[in-house]
Amino acid sequence: KAGVTQTPRYLIKTRGQQVTLSCSPISGHRSVSWYQQTPGQGLQFLFEYFSETQRNKGNFPGRFSGRQFSNSRSEMNVSTLELGDSALYLCASKIAGGPGTDTQYFGPGTRLTVL
Amino acid sequence: AQKVTQAQTEISVVEKEDVTLDCVYETRDTTYYLFWYKQPPSGELVFLIRRNSFDEQNEISGRYSWNFQKSTSSFNFTITASQVVDSAVYFCALSPTINQAGTALIFGKGTTLSVSS
Repeated sequence: KAGVTQTPRYLIKTRGQQVTLSCSPISGHRSVSWYQQTPGQGLQFLFEYFSETQRNKGNFPGRFSGRQFSNSRSEMNVSTLELGDSALYLCASKIAGGPGTDTQYFGPGTRLTVL
Repeated sequence: AQKVTQAQTEISVVEKEDVTLDCVYETRDTTYYLFWYKQPPSGELVFLIRRNSFDEQNEISGRYSWNFQKSTSSFNFTITASQVVDSAVYFCALSPTINQAGTALIFGKGTTLSVSS
């Protein structure tokens, strides 16, 4: 079974631009979560989507948004990029949307660099 | 508040040594889940184990073992006879079940393990 895939793997953008990252979950998984990883803040939860609906959101500004499609694939968008948005963005999928009842499996991440 | 603390930032050992990675968590939930993930240099978080709060039985998987003690809110991870391939960052994570965060994983800061030959 294929794992979680994320595209692109690397991105370089400049301040003020916007970016869209994509995530394809493991087949049969309906929940997709996004995390940001930085050296200073560590791994932080961005949001979770289940059945095309955002179920949960972390403490990030409105510049960070996402969506999920009917095939469970998800995209996240960051508008008006800031230098502090440079990070590894990890996507994770799990079978269902219930809290804590199953395991999240992570993709390889997209490394975003903002210049 | 929900929190995971991994007090050891970096650990260096020589191959074949045993090493224990500490994890202490805080939660007011009575039902919760604990996880360990490994992050090699490639960046992908690799799932190692999941434990629910009602199951305090220790687990062994090959060279890996986990010690869950609810009384001390700890979920420690031991690698026996470490190998160079064990070099990675290891994260402990908490998944509460009844709180605003819902399904979000709360991660510790991670412990960087370096195993030299």
